[in-house]
Amino acid sequence: DTAVSQTPKYLVTQMGNDKSIKCEQNLGHDTMYWYKQDSKKFLKIMFSYNNKELIINETVPNRFSPKSPDKAHLNLHINSLELGDSAVYFCASSSQGRGETQYFGPGTRLLVL
Amino acid sequence: AQSVTQLDSQVPVFEEAPVELRCNYSSSVSVYLFWYVQYPNQGLQLLLKYLSGSTLVESINGFEAEFNKSQTSFHLRKPSVHISDTAEYFCAVSRTGGTSYGKLTFGQGTILTVHP
Repeated sequence: DTAVSQTPKYLVTQMGNDKSIKCEQNLGHDTMYWYKQDSKKFLKIMFSYNNKELIINETVPNRFSPKSPDKAHLNLHINSLELGDSAVYFCASSSQGRGETQYFGPGTRLLVL
Repeated sequence: AQSVTQLDSQVPVFEEAPVELRCNYSSSVSVYLFWYVQYPNQGLQLLLKYLSGSTLVESINGFEAEFNKSQTSFHLRKPSVHISDTAEYFCAVSRTGGTSYGKLTFGQGTILTVHP
């Protein structure tokens, strides 16, 4: 009964490949997010979707494309992976509204070789 | 734009000692304030948050933080830490208005290590 789940947990791949990370939440939330945590543990938002609509799109290379098939899922597709994409990617969800608590998934550790 | 500065990257402390993790923020608009905790190899969990009202907020496991508007600070304190409090702590803010609601801006994190 995991609230926010991500697959895979670990992803090791070669430069230039395309990969996807999936996120699902069973909390009934309207809003979902993708964050990137770099090697220095700095966390930065990438995208946010509310009811399948993109509402936050930070300065992220267009090789990253989020897709929300329904409000319980927010997937992240990455084209032409680069060494600098190596990081931990966290999905989160929250109710719609200001000041709402965000619930984070366990993270996907991506290593690009 | 908002920014968050956590003044200490690492804080070592002995078990049962008090601890303070410092957080300052900068914002031209009003913000909500949060503390999240990340245990090793896990995602972040909310520890406590300030939205409005009393400037002192508490968590269920004994942490508290006080919003100080004049000093733009939101320091986290605990009077007596346990080994299980060893984790990384992140201070964050989000705007109270505007279109990008929900966007959290995080500090750099503070690693709290509790020694026996």
